[in-house]
Amino acid sequence: GQNIDQPTEMTATEGAIVQINCTYQTSGFNGLFWYQQHAGEAPTFLSYNVLDGLEEKGRFSSFLSRSKGYSYLLLKELQMKDSASYLCPASGDTDKLIFGTGTRLQVFP
Amino acid sequence: EAGVTQFPSHSVIEKGQTVTLRCDPISGHDNLYWYRRVMGKEIKFLLHFVKESKQDESGMPNNRFLAERTGGTYSTLKVQPAELEDSGVYFCASSQGGRGPLSNYGYTFGSGTRLTVV
Repeated sequence: GQNIDQPTEMTATEGAIVQINCTYQTSGFNGLFWYQQHAGEAPTFLSYNVLDGLEEKGRFSSFLSRSKGYSYLLLKELQMKDSASYLCPASGDTDKLIFGTGTRLQVFP
Repeated sequence: EAGVTQFPSHSVIEKGQTVTLRCDPISGHDNLYWYRRVMGKEIKFLLHFVKESKQDESGMPNNRFLAERTGGTYSTLKVQPAELEDSGVYFCASSQGGRGPLSNYGYTFGSGTRLTVV
């Protein structure tokens, strides 16, 4: 079957670094996305990885290992506004995305 | 540019009633998707339009759900008759044709319609 696994909840301190892990199993693979979603709002696109390696965008970086079916999102210099849910949907052999339940990150002062 | 707009943001209806959800994608986006999140579970794919044609409707739960995209612009998702298990958040997303979601552009999601069937 196809599924995405990520931790349900994480906590971290303002200014710290946090890594959110995501493992995936898909039929075929056409890339993995990271989205941020604040409560009651639209998921917001953060990154897309289709090749192995690290993609860096400011305070956020995303890593992919296709051989391990593994990705992580690294958030540096955490801010209170980073408290949100983080989704790592993957695309299999079609355009549709396969989601996990998301990781709810709480940042404390 | 304006984002993906969904209406209504919330809807509470009684079991057996009909509800129609609307999605206005980003202008010019050929691809339009409907997803649903049932309480406590993951977001799941419902269907995919390319312009006005249904590309993939494999995720539609049953024939009580009807999606349309007349003229290839906005889309509606009708639930008739609604059942308790239809409660959840319905998301719409869109992406440009040819440079679809499988790129650095990703999908643009709407804020969702929270449907509660009582």
